[in-house]
Amino acid sequence: EVQLLESGGGLVQPGGSLRLSCAASGFTFRSYDMNWVRQAPGKGLEWVSGISGSGTSTYYADSVKGRFTISRDNSKNTLNLQMNSLRSEDTGVYFCAKMVRGYCLDVWGKGTTVTVS
Amino acid sequence: IVLTQSPATLSLSPGERATLSCRASQSVSSYLAWYQQKPGQAPRLLIFDASNRATGIPARFSGSGSRTDFTLTISSLEPEDFAVYFCQQRDNWPLTFGGGTKVEIK
Repeated sequence: EVQLLESGGGLVQPGGSLRLSCAASGFTFRSYDMNWVRQAPGKGLEWVSGISGSGTSTYYADSVKGRFTISRDNSKNTLNLQMNSLRSEDTGVYFCAKMVRGYCLDVWGKGTTVTVS
Repeated sequence: IVLTQSPATLSLSPGERATLSCRASQSVSSYLAWYQQKPGQAPRLLIFDASNRATGIPARFSGSGSRTDFTLTISSLEPEDFAVYFCQQRDNWPLTFGGGTKVEIK
C-alpha cells in the first residue's frame, strides 16, 4: 500500500524553526517528484515547495522562499522540510504529497500541524 | 496563474446534479486537476488532465474544459460527496489551487 506519513509538527514561537519529515512507503520513492502543501485553519490549499525525484531541482512558493528548505533522502525514503524564521501566517496543517504527470498530487499524507504562536 | 472557483458554496440535495466551475487567469492547456476534501482529511485526487478520472473514482464524477474554463460535474450526489472541491494547475510553477467550492446538503 502506498503511504505517506508526516511528522515533526508542533508549537513554535515566531522566529523559531521546525523540521518536518515525511516517510514514504509502497512505491519507488526516488522515481517521483514530491511536494509540501499546507492549509491554514479554515482556509484553502497552498502549495509550499516541490522537489524532483533526484533532489537536484527544488521549487518554492514566494511566501516561503529564503526561509524554507526542501530536501529528500532517497536511501531512507524520506522527504523533509526545514522551516526557519517562522511566522504566524505559517500556521496550518502541512501535507506531503506524491506528484505524477508533472503536476497531479495523487497520494497525500494525513498531515502534521504547525502552530506558530 | 490564479484559479477562481465558483460558486463558493453549492447547496444541493442528494440525487441532484452538481456543477462546479474553475476559471484560470491564463491558459493552463489541460493541466488541470480536481480534488475532494472532507473535514479532517487530506485531499483526494478525483480528476487529472481536465477530464480523466483518477483510479477508483466513481463514474458520477466527470470533468471537462480546456485552456481557461473548466467544470467538475457530479451527476447525482451521494451522501459521501458533500465536501469541499479544489481545482489545481501547473502549467507553470508554482502549483496553484483554486479557493474551493463547498458542496453542502440543502
